[in-house]
Amino acid sequence: QTVVTQEPSLTVSPGGTVTLTCASSTGAVTSGYYPNWFQQKPGQAPRALIYSTSNKHSWTPARFSGSLLGGKAALTLSGVQPEDEAEYYCLLYYGGAQGGVFGGGTKLTVL
Amino acid sequence: QVQLVQSGAEVKKPGASVKVSCKASGYTFTSYGISWVRQAPGQGLEWMGWISAYNGNTNYAQKLQGRVTMTTDTSTSTAYMELRSLRSDDTAVYYCARGFGTGIDYWGQGTLVTVSS
Repeated sequence: QTVVTQEPSLTVSPGGTVTLTCASSTGAVTSGYYPNWFQQKPGQAPRALIYSTSNKHSWTPARFSGSLLGGKAALTLSGVQPEDEAEYYCLLYYGGAQGGVFGGGTKLTVL
Repeated sequence: QVQLVQSGAEVKKPGASVKVSCKASGYTFTSYGISWVRQAPGQGLEWMGWISAYNGNTNYAQKLQGRVTMTTDTSTSTAYMELRSLRSDDTAVYYCARGFGTGIDYWGQGTLVTVSS
């Protein structure tokens, strides 16, 4: 069974920069896994931030960026705002019977 | 504007089935797939599967194979997800979302399904 791993929690100061990562138990994450990133706040539906590794949706703030870093998918927040405090999930697509697998989520605290 | 509006909350007994609907508007329904994702209370997101609104092709998560069926009605731009033989650990908020593969963008508001005797 494929497992996608994210940091359980991270803390960042307002105005700071933080990078969240997304690793696959099958090996290095590549663009062929079409990494997606989502933000979820308590009581709300997830909101899409990044698709296909680094592409932003029209509503994605400029301070969010996606990349591949050291064999993992990465989401970087630069100039963090208090409203960025949320849970962040990555999604990787493996194709075939495996389909998609979400990471366990990273709880980002802005303090 | 793109909207996905889901059906209301459901309470079901173990062994029963549930069918959740997701009505799309604001775009050409057959141009995108619909993904289904669920979230158990206090837990993370779980990918359930995907259906092409163009040709009805599906791809289900292995753990749900045999219990889940995803369909679409192009005449009403509505997607459906039916889950059978419900168990207590199927209690979750069920979401539909537009897209698959390269990306998911818009999400429905979620439907709480509670399985309890």
